[in-house]
Amino acid sequence: QVTLKESGPALVTPTQTLTLTCTLSGFSLRTTGMRVTWIRQPPGKALEWLGIIDWDGDAVYGASLKTRVTISKDTSENQVLLRVTNVDPGDTATYFCARVRPGRDYFDIWGQGKLVTVSS
Amino acid sequence: SYDLTQPPSVSVSPGQTASLACSGDKLGDRYVSWYQQKPGQSPVLVIYEDTKRPSGIPERFSGSNSGNTATLTISGTQTLDEADYYCQAWDTTTVVFGGGTKVTVL
Repeated sequence: QVTLKESGPALVTPTQTLTLTCTLSGFSLRTTGMRVTWIRQPPGKALEWLGIIDWDGDAVYGASLKTRVTISKDTSENQVLLRVTNVDPGDTATYFCARVRPGRDYFDIWGQGKLVTVSS
Repeated sequence: SYDLTQPPSVSVSPGQTASLACSGDKLGDRYVSWYQQKPGQSPVLVIYEDTKRPSGIPERFSGSNSGNTATLTISGTQTLDEADYYCQAWDTTTVVFGGGTKVTVL
């Protein structure tokens, strides 16, 4: 069964760095063609794409947070990491990771999401 | 940057047809996916590559894409279809989501 699960702190202080982990199960990011993406959703608002990483470790980021976001992978742990630097209350959101259907361009499996609040 | 525009809300009576539009420049030249999101839940893929339904998605969900508009159609809408719906496309190597449409069944 293919699953993804986000984990990390529920509360982050402004100006700090937010780090979230997406743990993959039932598939491996070592597989050629595999990609995982991060998406966030502020409370009551729309989905916002953050970025994507592929099996080769190449990452592409969305324009809105491009200078503050880094996506990386830990192949040995089958995990994908999201880092957002210098957070502020506007970064309060539910953060989702999702699998890109191998060889295609749609997100077929999503994690449950992780609500992160930025507050002092 | 590339933008996708969706109406904020659509209301439909049970058993009727709901048509959700997603517009963007020459959108018909790109594949569009649609995601359903119910309150407190993760999005679920309901249409991919404009017209295809994943396994487990009811046949009442269908999609089309031509010109500048993609459309998600829900035929014989049920109360359990009440949710937010997001369209999504790619702009070369980046992903774009529409602002979402809230479907109310009443």
